[in-house]
Amino acid sequence: QQQVKQSPQSLIVQKGGISIINCAYENTAFDYFPWYQQFPGKGPALLIAIRPDVSEKKEGRFTISFNKSAKQFSLHIMDSQPGDSATYFCAATPWTGNQFYFGTGTSLTVIP
Amino acid sequence: GAGVSQSPSNKVTEKGKDVELRCDPISGHTALYWYRQSLGQGLEFLIYFQGNSAPDKSGLPSDRFSAERTGGSVSTLTIQRTQQEDSAVYLCASSLAGKGLQPQHFGDGTRLSIL
Repeated sequence: QQQVKQSPQSLIVQKGGISIINCAYENTAFDYFPWYQQFPGKGPALLIAIRPDVSEKKEGRFTISFNKSAKQFSLHIMDSQPGDSATYFCAATPWTGNQFYFGTGTSLTVIP
Repeated sequence: GAGVSQSPSNKVTEKGKDVELRCDPISGHTALYWYRQSLGQGLEFLIYFQGNSAPDKSGLPSDRFSAERTGGSVSTLTIQRTQQEDSAVYLCASSLAGKGLQPQHFGDGTRLSIL
């Protein structure tokens, strides 16, 4: 059973546009939600993370929106650039737990 | 400083052979994770080491899979009697501590192909 459901599977965006990737979860024990960016042949790298005590976190062009009641969170990439083309994974973990549960990934292509 | 190092970067072997994958975590990181990433799939948790505590092996898919971590540093993931479904990228990550707010730093993985 997929603990974290991610959509869409793939996304094509024009340069300068907004990329939006969504994730949903069921386990209310989850309280840390990171996003990872992965380029081909490389390991995932932490991009941005949020805890449920805030509804939004912004770092540069990257923003996480968090809806605790709906158990959903999303990544917004503003002014998307071709260099943002990568696979993005959301994840969730309970603060007291060991395991990170990952979504199935979104392949983002930003067209020049 | 150096990041997480994994070796080999690629491994091709015949079905039925045993393979060993190595992970050198970032110095000082007490937590170490192994994941498996299959094509088009997310990261599947395999095993977690935290300091000298007993490892969390709950993600290992079968008894053909085992892992060790010697001296709290280097870890080896061993797959015995490999099967074609074991073909995947095996990723290792380390963090300062095994709790959520400590980010995981990933290696670039070992791409394992079983013929």
